[in-house]
Amino acid sequence: DAGVIQSPRHEVTEMGQEVTLRCKPISGHDYLFWYRQTMMRGLELLIYFNNNVPIDDSGMPEDRFSAKMPNASFSTLKIQPSEPRDSAVYFCASSLAGGRANEQFFGPGTRLTVL
Amino acid sequence: AQKVTQAQTEISVVEKEDVTLDCVYETRDTTYYLFWYKQPPSGELVFLIRRNSFDEQNEISGRYSWNFQKSTSSFNFTITASQVVDSAVYFCALSGSIQGAQKLVFGQGTRLTINP
Repeated sequence: DAGVIQSPRHEVTEMGQEVTLRCKPISGHDYLFWYRQTMMRGLELLIYFNNNVPIDDSGMPEDRFSAKMPNASFSTLKIQPSEPRDSAVYFCASSLAGGRANEQFFGPGTRLTVL
Repeated sequence: AQKVTQAQTEISVVEKEDVTLDCVYETRDTTYYLFWYKQPPSGELVFLIRRNSFDEQNEISGRYSWNFQKSTSSFNFTITASQVVDSAVYFCALSGSIQGAQKLVFGQGTRLTINP
């Protein structure tokens, strides 16, 4: 069974450009998470969805960031306009409800560089 | 608020040595879950273990073992007879049981280097 799929794996863009990161969770999982990893701040949860509905977006840094989950098999994280401080590795993860806190399966990440 | 502290930023040992990674957590929840994840140089995050707050039994999986002590709010991870392939960043994480039960709070990670 395929794991969490993220695309692109690497993205280099210039400041001010729009960036869209994509995620396909594991089939059947009903939770989807977006994390950001930087040297300074470590791993931070940005937003998570349950059954395609955003549950908690308190980690989204500012209005330049937005996330959607139009269906159970696809989610996007968009940054518009991008800034150099957005450079980080962005991880998507999914999990299956059925208990209180289940193992989250992480995708390989998207390394974003904003010049 | 929930918090995870991994005080050891970096550890370097010689192959075959035993090494323990420390994890201390803070939470007001009476039911919670603790996790360890491994991030090898390739960058992906690999799940290692989950432990719930009602289960204080230590766990062993091959060369890996985990020591959970509620009295000291610690969930330490020991690698016995370390190998070069164990070199990675290891993260301890915590999730609560009430609101946001699915949210993971990560520690800052410990970078472990095993030298041949």
